[in-house]
Amino acid sequence: DAGVIQSPRHEVTEMGQEVTLRCKPISGHDYLFWYRQTMMRGLELLIYFNNNVPIDDSGMPEDRFSAKMPNASFSTLKIQPSEPRDSAVYFCASSPPGWRDNEQFFGPGTRLTVL
Amino acid sequence: AQTVTQSQPEMSVQEAETVTLSCTYDTSESDYYLFWYKQPPSRQMILVIRQEAYKQQNATENRFSVNFQKAAKSFSLKISDSQLGDAAMYFCAYRSAYTGNQFYFGTGTSLTVIP
Repeated sequence: DAGVIQSPRHEVTEMGQEVTLRCKPISGHDYLFWYRQTMMRGLELLIYFNNNVPIDDSGMPEDRFSAKMPNASFSTLKIQPSEPRDSAVYFCASSPPGWRDNEQFFGPGTRLTVL
Repeated sequence: AQTVTQSQPEMSVQEAETVTLSCTYDTSESDYYLFWYKQPPSRQMILVIRQEAYKQQNATENRFSVNFQKAAKSFSLKISDSQLGDAAMYFCAYRSAYTGNQFYFGTGTSLTVIP
């Protein structure tokens, strides 16, 4: 399996621009998670989906952030408008069905820099 | 929400020596899962080891083992015969056995391996 795929790997944009991050989970996984990692706040869960339905979006910082999962193989995280404080590494992770000791499989992350 | 605490922001170890990374967590649940993830400079999050709270025996994966103390809510990671490739950020994570697939991560410990 190719693992969790994220694109782009790096994104540099200017304040006020719209940014879209993309994720393809591992085939067969029905959970998908979006995280943000910064030095100050560590690894924060932003939102997660189960069977394409958002389950918990309490970690989404504000209305500028939105996430969608139109089908089982694709999700997006959008920031509009972007701000310099959004600069971080954004990870997508997926996990298989079931509640046992299933690990989360992480993508390589997208490093976002907002100037 | 559960909290996971890693009180050692940085640790160092001599190559071939043993190091122990600490993790404590706060929960009122009786069944849960605990994980250690490694994040090398490549940023890729990799599962190192996992433990189910109901299992008495401490998990072991090659040079990696845990010391799970349920009553003390402690879950430390021991790395034996440390290698240069072990240098990374290590994250402890908690997942409930009851309430879905959300992980709670600690703030991480940065491990340096000295040649």
